[in-house]
Amino acid sequence: EAGVTQFPSHSVIEKGQTVTLRCDPISGHDNLYWYRRVMGKEIKFLLHFVKESKQDESGMPNNRFLAERTGGTYSTLKVQPAELEDSGVYFCASSQGRDKQFFGPGTRLTVL
Amino acid sequence: DAKTTQPTSMDCAEGRAANLPCNHSTISGNEYVYWYRQIHSQGPQYIIHGLKNNETNEMASLIITEDRKSSTLILPHATLRDTAVYYCIVRVSNSGGGADGLTFGKGTHLIIQP
Repeated sequence: EAGVTQFPSHSVIEKGQTVTLRCDPISGHDNLYWYRRVMGKEIKFLLHFVKESKQDESGMPNNRFLAERTGGTYSTLKVQPAELEDSGVYFCASSQGRDKQFFGPGTRLTVL
Repeated sequence: DAKTTQPTSMDCAEGRAANLPCNHSTISGNEYVYWYRQIHSQGPQYIIHGLKNNETNEMASLIITEDRKSSTLILPHATLRDTAVYYCIVRVSNSGGGADGLTFGKGTHLIIQP
């Protein structure tokens, strides 16, 4: 069974540019989560999809971040425009129920 | 979700049992104890979870005290690949409310010594 995959693995952009991160959850998992770890800080929850609906987006830092999950399969997280403080590692996770969450390898974002 | 307290770091000799403690004195009756770990440069990995009974799976054992105010994760035969940051997380599981996202603290950096 394929795990959670994320693309790209690394992204380096300049301040003010736009970046789109993609997450492919485990097949059949209705729940999809986004988290991030910025430098020196703890891993923080961003938002949770159930199928294509946003169930909880309380962790989204501001309106420069837009997450979508059209069709309830893969999800994208767009940062526009990117700021220096957005640098970090963005993790995606999926789950069938609310118990175990399976995490992807993360996307390392560097904003210069 | 209840707050958890873990030691910042621990060492363990390879082949020995690693015992990682966690305090969660404000845990509520419907909150489960979860353990995840993050091996360097990888995404977090689920290990085990429990409500009040001790649990065991192929990775580890979870011992929860009778008053549920603390727990211990046991890796029975630690290997070098078990070097990671281990997170103890308390949250409501299954349906019926509670935050959906996991709240990661600072965790315990477990170093397995050869």
